[in-house]
Amino acid sequence: GESVGLHLPTLSVQEGDNSIINCAYSNSASDYFIWYKQESGKGPQFIIDIRSNMDKRQGQRVTVLLNKTVKHLSLQIAATQPGDSAVYFCAERRNNNDMRFGAGTRLTVKP
Amino acid sequence: NAGVTQTPKFRVLKTGQSMTLLCAQDMNHEYMYWYRQDPGMGLRLIHYSVGEGTTAKGEVPDGYNVSRLKKQNFLLGLESAAPSQTSVYFCASNNGGVSYGYTFGSGTRLTVV
Repeated sequence: GESVGLHLPTLSVQEGDNSIINCAYSNSASDYFIWYKQESGKGPQFIIDIRSNMDKRQGQRVTVLLNKTVKHLSLQIAATQPGDSAVYFCAERRNNNDMRFGAGTRLTVKP
Repeated sequence: NAGVTQTPKFRVLKTGQSMTLLCAQDMNHEYMYWYRQDPGMGLRLIHYSVGEGTTAKGEVPDGYNVSRLKKQNFLLGLESAAPSQTSVYFCASNNGGVSYGYTFGSGTRLTVV
């Protein structure tokens, strides 16, 4: 899961396995959430988003699940590939013009 | 279509020096943002703009100034750099404000010595 601090949480998976990256958000009034992927030396890249009136949203090989009861968000990556190795972080929209980002989880895919 | 372009990519400043980071987007986006990213921390909003000629403070605005004279450009200025401003700076843009995903630039790594 995500946390604020000097060391990012890490997740290591075998190529071909499914990955689950977790994020705990802080504001129960947050109504929009995004997952980003950041490769080394690059800017964050939008992966998938979900609004608070949904519990699940699927994209290509990715699924985001939202549990508003426990303020928890997860990103599932199916059949993880070496190119999926990156830092993944979630963002929550708290109110107008206030988007907060988590520190991220480093995903490493072993061949 | 280049998206969001940041210049320079790297810079080393001495304490007290000034510099301007340039962000340019070619997507005709209304909203532009400047973030800083520090090790182990999430992106933090410095300043943002909701349209040409407008700017507003974000979460960590102290020590920075911005200008949006043209819709496609958003400039971030450091008037008197401090070591605490050593960071990676990212510019982002979108057309819907915080209800939509951002397109980010590739970042500027700034070191203040």
